[in-house]
Amino acid sequence: AQSVTQLDSHVSVSEGTPVLLRCNYSSSYSPSLFWYVQHPNKGLQLLLKYTSAATLVKGINGFEAEFKKSETSFHLTKPSAHMSDAAEYFCVVSVSGNQFYFGTGTSLTVIP
Amino acid sequence: EAGVAQSPRYKIIEKRQSVAFWCNPISGHATLYWYQQILGQGPKLLIQFQNNGVVDDSQLPKDRFSAERLKGVDSTLKIQPAKLEDSAVYLCASSLGTETEETQYFGPGTRLLVL
Repeated sequence: AQSVTQLDSHVSVSEGTPVLLRCNYSSSYSPSLFWYVQHPNKGLQLLLKYTSAATLVKGINGFEAEFKKSETSFHLTKPSAHMSDAAEYFCVVSVSGNQFYFGTGTSLTVIP
Repeated sequence: EAGVAQSPRYKIIEKRQSVAFWCNPISGHATLYWYQQILGQGPKLLIQFQNNGVVDDSQLPKDRFSAERLKGVDSTLKIQPAKLEDSAVYLCASSLGTETEETQYFGPGTRLLVL
């Protein structure tokens, strides 16, 4: 069975400081992992994905994530937060394109 | 490229009434998903289609929810009868559906309020 745990329901950072959103996964097989972002009243948008290639994945808007099998983690980072990054972020796990499981989400607040 | 289309965007009904949602996926996408997102929670997969066949409906409350994807393109999700706890955003997503390309593209969702 697959599952994801987003360790923080809310994260608050100052503009220009680093962002870290934590995600741990559980999977019986080699998983694919995704980060999606959801801005208020907008649809979910893919930030980045890991599908067994390079363990450090770069996504849109300066975000990146590192797949660490030994730690079963896929944390999302960004060196410098921007006001427009304020949104809800979801970590997602799947196996072979099936059984997609979303985490409960992390709400990111960026303080000016 | 047109994205995933959903309608209606908003729906308010009373409990025990019926409601249907429609989704038109991105052209050429074989896989279509319906999710339920309750306020404050992550999306929960209700049903996954590959073309017009069901791949996974393990979390679909089959006593009241039904979905179909005739001809392997558009899909409808129906709730009959609705309960208060069905109030949520219903998201449709599609993907190419291959092992090397499973990225899902989401529609704007249908926000359902059951009174």
